[in-house]
Amino acid sequence: GAVVSQHPSRVICKSGTSVKIECRSLDFQATTMFWYRQFPKQSLMLMATSNEGSKATYEQGVEKDKFLINHASLTLSTLTVTSAHPEDSSFYICSAYPAERMNTEAFFGQGTRLTVV
Amino acid sequence: AQSVSQHNHHVILSEAASLELGCNYSYGGTVNLFWYVQYPGQHLQLLLKYFSGDPLVKGIKGFEAEFIKSKFSFNLRKPSVQWSDTAEYFCAVTPNQAGTALIFGKGTTLSVSS
Repeated sequence: GAVVSQHPSRVICKSGTSVKIECRSLDFQATTMFWYRQFPKQSLMLMATSNEGSKATYEQGVEKDKFLINHASLTLSTLTVTSAHPEDSSFYICSAYPAERMNTEAFFGQGTRLTVV
Repeated sequence: AQSVSQHNHHVILSEAASLELGCNYSYGGTVNLFWYVQYPGQHLQLLLKYFSGDPLVKGIKGFEAEFIKSKFSFNLRKPSVQWSDTAEYFCAVTPNQAGTALIFGKGTTLSVSS
């Protein structure tokens, strides 16, 4: 199956600093990638849809200036958590579909555990 | 807007008991349906999926799910659970369109005692 690689898997940062998370599709092209956030013992909440070559689409309640998304190529999307605070600590997961294919499942990255201290 | 409802928040079973986890969705059009499992400390793993055809779908590890269109349901079943099935289970739905996001239910925690 298709592989989505997410890096880093864990990161600890100081409050006020920024953290960049990468999501790469290793063996397929993805015009669209998705970023989710998962709090402990809760479900995955869609944060934003990342579109290659254009601005991301954010879900209601997600601060676009805080969670910067860049989808510079068909295989890479990045999520930057700016001026991180302890409440941003969470598990961030990306997913992607092979471009323009229907009837296929989304492929998920391994997730990034962000801890802001 | 689409939504997914999982009725059981926490299910506790003994080994060999049968399992059924409920999932209902709200969306008027054609959908693709999924069940994912998340073992403690691990990332999501696809259990099974439904796109079209036979509404009874078989997945990995002995799981199956039945799509009942009239009830907007996609319940997950397993005839005999094992201790190793202890995990979080998520139902998810997406419209049958290329490149749309999965919407997840809140999840069901399954605890199986040996």
